Amino acid sequence: IAGITQAPTSQILAAGRRMTLRCTQDMRHNAMYWYRQDLGLGLRLIHYSNTAGTTGKGEVPDGYSVSRANTDDFPLTLASAVPSQTSVYFCASSVEGTSNEQFFGPGTRLTVL
Amino acid sequence: GQSLEQPSEVTAVEGAIVQINCTYQTSGFYGLSWYQQHDGGAPTFLSYNALDGLEETGRFSSFLSRSDSYGYLLLQELQMKDSASYFCAAGRGNTPLVFGKGTRLSVIA
Repeated sequence: IAGITQAPTSQILAAGRRMTLRCTQDMRHNAMYWYRQDLGLGLRLIHYSNTAGTTGKGEVPDGYSVSRANTDDFPLTLASAVPSQTSVYFCASSVEGTSNEQFFGPGTRLTVL
Repeated sequence: GQSLEQPSEVTAVEGAIVQINCTYQTSGFYGLSWYQQHDGGAPTFLSYNALDGLEETGRFSSFLSRSDSYGYLLLQELQMKDSASYFCAAGRGNTPLVFGKGTRLSVIA
């Protein structure tokens, strides 16, 4: 692989279920991010990690958790999905947390019913 | 707080020039980036301004005025494929970028 990948591409989920969105990058970037994108609201940061072993909260972290056990992987977990979490989720990475150029994955379209 | 303002929609004619403005209120600001996103696709990086002035990359240019907390993206010789959403994003020290809500550009014949 080259770049950043996400899985699944899309998912329909019943409310109350647990779901983990996967994100993997092979660029050895230190920083990784999770965004959700809703119509008219742009890209909103959920959680981020400036380096393996550390994470931080973004603008809309409630209902989501992340872990960064290694450099390459940054999974996003919805412990108990709710319909308001229906969105397109993008994972991104950058060389450092201060980098201006972020590389985005193809996105995961999640529908919570 | 952190906020960036940009127009929600812009329409321009093929072959023309269009300017997409972005104003920001961001503590610890150190630079302005621009991203392009086609429908159904992922955002991709276009340009970055750390200093005042104009940066040119082919048909695209980006401008920053730190004293006015203002920047813009200039697209010249518009093509149909330039129809997309464009996001400005502010860099702030050791914290992630803050993105604007995006400007949807429609290029018409």
